[in-house]
Amino acid sequence: AQSVSQHNHHVILSEAASLELGCNYSYGGTVNLFWYVQYPGQHLQLLLKYFSGDPLVKGIKGFEAEFIKSKFSFNLRKPSVQWSDTAEYFCAVNEKGGGFKTIFGAGTRLFVKA
Amino acid sequence: GAGVSQTPSNKVTEKGKYVELRCDPISGHTALYWYRQSLGQGPEFLIYFQGTGAADDSGLPNDRFFAVRPEGSVSTLKIQRTERGDSAVYLCASSFYTDANTGELFFGEGSRLTVL
Repeated sequence: AQSVSQHNHHVILSEAASLELGCNYSYGGTVNLFWYVQYPGQHLQLLLKYFSGDPLVKGIKGFEAEFIKSKFSFNLRKPSVQWSDTAEYFCAVNEKGGGFKTIFGAGTRLFVKA
Repeated sequence: GAGVSQTPSNKVTEKGKYVELRCDPISGHTALYWYRQSLGQGPEFLIYFQGTGAADDSGLPNDRFFAVRPEGSVSTLKIQRTERGDSAVYLCASSFYTDANTGELFFGEGSRLTVL
């Protein structure tokens, strides 16, 4: 079955620390990959996405993610986090040509200490 | 409106009652999705519509759950004989579907359902 696995459920960092959140997926076909973010009190919104080309993609607010096809991974990174990055982060995947049924991971709750 | 609108934002009901949750997608978005999110979990896929028809309803947990989108815009998720385990936030999302794009989802604020 299709699935998305996020390795860390809770992460606590101090401001200026580097961030890496792991994501692995299990999917048979060619995929589109996403990171969505939910800030406190807000709705889910897209952070970044990969669909083709350069496997290193850049999103909003200095986030980036690298697609490693051989490892079925799409890890999220940020060199220096800010207090305002406190949020819940969800990795998600859908299958190209599969009608965009998007499957989400369980999420990682990030708390950044000021 | 500019975004996906969901009503009600909160619904408290008693076990066994019937509930309807409504979603108004972004204008022009052809695809509409329903997800359920329980505490500490990611969004769980329920059903998605392409136009008026349900293109994939494989995530509906049982026959108490049903969704419609009669005119290809607003959708209603219907839950019969609610159970305490149905308590969750029900999320609606829409996207502009073409084979060329990636299916980025635009979410609403969600409807929080509590079954007592």
